[in-house]
Amino acid sequence: GAGVSQSPSNKVTEKGKDVELRCDPISGHTALYWYRQSLGQGLEFLIYFQGNSAPDKSGLPSDRFSAERTGGSVSTLTIQRTQQEDSAVYLCASSSPDSRGGYTFGSGTRLTVV
Amino acid sequence: AQSVAQPEDQVNVAEGNPLTVKCTYSVSGNPYLFWYVQYPNRGLQFLLKYITGDNLVKGSYGFEAEFNKSQTSFHLKKPSALVSDSALYFCAVSLASGGSYIPTFGRGTSLIVHP
Repeated sequence: GAGVSQSPSNKVTEKGKDVELRCDPISGHTALYWYRQSLGQGLEFLIYFQGNSAPDKSGLPSDRFSAERTGGSVSTLTIQRTQQEDSAVYLCASSSPDSRGGYTFGSGTRLTVV
Repeated sequence: AQSVAQPEDQVNVAEGNPLTVKCTYSVSGNPYLFWYVQYPNRGLQFLLKYITGDNLVKGSYGFEAEFNKSQTSFHLKKPSALVSDSALYFCAVSLASGGSYIPTFGRGTSLIVHP
């Protein structure tokens, strides 16, 4: 597509429920990144996919967080047993393999855990 | 490890005056450097990048940035600020080669342009 698409744009969930956030990157971008932006904070790296290589999961804050990328395109970030501290904006970005063109971000999913 | 510092949480400037948003970085090798802008309730929008070549980089909306290798800085500048430039600005660095290209972002600087 023309840009990075994320859905849903907003999600309110009850504490303890599981949520899935979706990211559809730019066609042809083999690199995909997930970041978390908490209120008043910068961007916290979560996970990175590059082509068919094993993902870099070094930024995932706990084992409640997981992500997959099917067919080298769409990615899903799953948060199990959500906690109030998971409330944040989750941003997805994609880039060419060498990132020389920069990173294109989606509009994000605002997650609120009540 | 790579890092980015944006030493100012907020920058205030009057419309029509020049603006500077500061960024310094640390990376073990040659850097790729980026500036992004975020308007309320929006994702990050690309402004400009330094990959190689000229140290002065020109980007969108009249913004520019100068790569200074000796000072490890990449400050964002604009000669004449507009009220519409008010937003949150992020500097980012990634390793040009030998790494995974995962960008590290600064904490962001809120730019407020007063009429």
